[in-house]
Amino acid sequence: QKEVEQNSGPLSVPEGAIASLNCTYSDRGSQSFFWYRQYSGKSPELIMFIYSNGDKEDGRFTAQLNKASQYVSLLIRDSQPSDSATYLCAVNPGGSYIPTFGRGTSLIVHP
Amino acid sequence: DAGITQSPRHKVTETGTPVTLRCHQTENHRYMYWYRQDPGHGLRLIHYSYGVKDTDKGEVSDGYSVSRSKTEDFLLTLESATSSQTSVYFCAIKKGDMNTEAFFGQGTRLTVV
Repeated sequence: QKEVEQNSGPLSVPEGAIASLNCTYSDRGSQSFFWYRQYSGKSPELIMFIYSNGDKEDGRFTAQLNKASQYVSLLIRDSQPSDSATYLCAVNPGGSYIPTFGRGTSLIVHP
Repeated sequence: DAGITQSPRHKVTETGTPVTLRCHQTENHRYMYWYRQDPGHGLRLIHYSYGVKDTDKGEVSDGYSVSRSKTEDFLLTLESATSSQTSVYFCAIKKGDMNTEAFFGQGTRLTVV
């Protein structure tokens, strides 16, 4: 069973703080990793992808991948109320073109 | 805009009736997916397609069938709708090879009464 695990939250952070979202996966052969943001009543939208170990930065977002420990994280710096959403972690298991999603972490950024 | 259109966007139907949801893409991508999203369960794969007439089952395929007779259209059919199929349905596509990201349609909210 290929699984992707996320803490459902909610994760509550004050405006301006760093939000840290975590995801673990079970398939050691997984090769590509994605973070999606989903506002209530909307479809998921891609915000970050990462393929290699280490950090990848894009504006206020940083994705971190550690394949040895099988986890991927998303850091959101200077969190804003508009970042309040559910964040979905997705993994392409090794040799598969079927993305597997975690259940998502609800993030609340309060003023 | 990922060039994906789902129709209808909202539907209310009665138990036991057949329902077909349509996913249309404008860019001839190979991989297409149907997911359902329910509170506490996240996104779960129903069926997927890797080409015209090439489809396969996902983890929650019971009660659903699909067809892909043209590259641009992927149809999801509930043969006889049940209340447990009340959900939000998302179509997704991959624009490149297997390791690329998925892009989602706007979703269809289906209510079975």
